[in-house]
Amino acid sequence: QKEVEQNSGPLSVPEGAIASLNCTYSDRGSQSFFWYRQYSGKSPELIMFIYSNGDKEDGRFTAQLNKASQYVSLLIRDSQPSDSATYLCADSNYGGSQGNLIFGKGTKLSVKP
Amino acid sequence: ETGVTQSPTHLIKTRGQQVTLRCSSQSGHNTVSWYQQALGQGPQFIFQYYREEENGRGNFPPRFSGLQFPNYSSELNVNALELDDSALYLCASGTTSGAYNEQFFGPGTRLTVL
Repeated sequence: QKEVEQNSGPLSVPEGAIASLNCTYSDRGSQSFFWYRQYSGKSPELIMFIYSNGDKEDGRFTAQLNKASQYVSLLIRDSQPSDSATYLCADSNYGGSQGNLIFGKGTKLSVKP
Repeated sequence: ETGVTQSPTHLIKTRGQQVTLRCSSQSGHNTVSWYQQALGQGPQFIFQYYREEENGRGNFPPRFSGLQFPNYSSELNVNALELDDSALYLCASGTTSGAYNEQFFGPGTRLTVL
């Protein structure tokens, strides 16, 4: 049974700082990972995915994957109050007949003005 | 906006009743997955449909069932509702032609069971 672990937070950072969100996964064979942002009362919104070891950058967001350590992270540079949300890490159970995502419980981020 | 729509937005039912939730996939997508998200938890996979057949199922009892129609829209049916079924139900669409299983969520249906 695949599992994804996240610190539930809340993680509080000042405006303009770097927010670092972390996630570990149980299945060494997992290939691709997703970060979703979920505002309170809304549905998850895909912000990044990563499948290769190393860093992937998209604007203020950088996803990092370390398959040896089974560790995924999301860095948000120049954090803004509008980044305040819950961030969900997901492992893709892709292959064979399955195509579902396995989510962590999410980390709540609060960016203080 | 993902192009995935769900209805209704909110629903209140009583224990023992049955409910049907609906989802319309994003144009060009051929898979639809349903997730249940309880308060303070991540989404939990219920099942996925592809080519109008169930294509994988999570740890949910048979009273959770679904359909996918030729136009790729989908229904989630829950029979004999229990109080613990109160949650946000999310539909996500994707495509088998994608390499990495990206899935895009609709706005969700908030179900309250009294």
